[in-house]
Amino acid sequence: EAGVAQSPRYKIIEKRQSVAFWCNPISGHATLYWYQQILGQGPKLLIQFQNNGVVDDSQLPKDRFSAERLKGVDSTLKIQPAKLEDSAVYLCASSLGAGTSGFTDTQYFGPGTRLTVL
Amino acid sequence: AQTVTQSQPEMSVQEAETVTLSCTYDTSENNYYLFWYKQPPSRQMILVIRQEAYKQQNATENRFSVNFQKAAKSFSLKISDSQLGDTAMYFCALIDFGNEKLTFGTGTRLTIIP
Repeated sequence: EAGVAQSPRYKIIEKRQSVAFWCNPISGHATLYWYQQILGQGPKLLIQFQNNGVVDDSQLPKDRFSAERLKGVDSTLKIQPAKLEDSAVYLCASSLGAGTSGFTDTQYFGPGTRLTVL
Repeated sequence: AQTVTQSQPEMSVQEAETVTLSCTYDTSENNYYLFWYKQPPSRQMILVIRQEAYKQQNATENRFSVNFQKAAKSFSLKISDSQLGDTAMYFCALIDFGNEKLTFGTGTRLTIIP
């Protein structure tokens, strides 16, 4: 079974530039998550999708970050414009999302995209 | 709010020895799940083991086992017969019925010494 795919693996940009990350979840997984992992810290949830709808984006800096999952499968996370403090690894995860309490589903993570903002 | 604390930033152990990683957590919910994730230098976060709070029996997966102390809100990971491939960051994580967001600790960097 193919895992969660992410691209690119690395990205270096100047501050104030734009960047986009792509994620393809495990086939059949309804729930998709984007996390930000700053060096030395655990991942922090940015946004959660259930199919193509947003479940939770309370920790997404909406003035510069946006995300979409238009067809309920793959997803794109965008930062515009980037700041120095956005340097981090961006992890995508997916879970089955079945049942009324989807939080019981195990989340499977992709390899992440390491973003460096200069 | 739920919190997860890992008080050991780094640990090292000789190959084939046993090592225990500590984790404490806090939640006001009775329905929750605890996880240990492994993140090798390649960055792919891999699930090691999962524990449902309503289960009194400690979860085990081959060389990995947990000591789940619900009253003390403690969830430690024991790795037996450690191998070089166990070298990684280990994250303890919690998700509960009220918040439904996976909350991670700050991680423990484990190095297995040949």
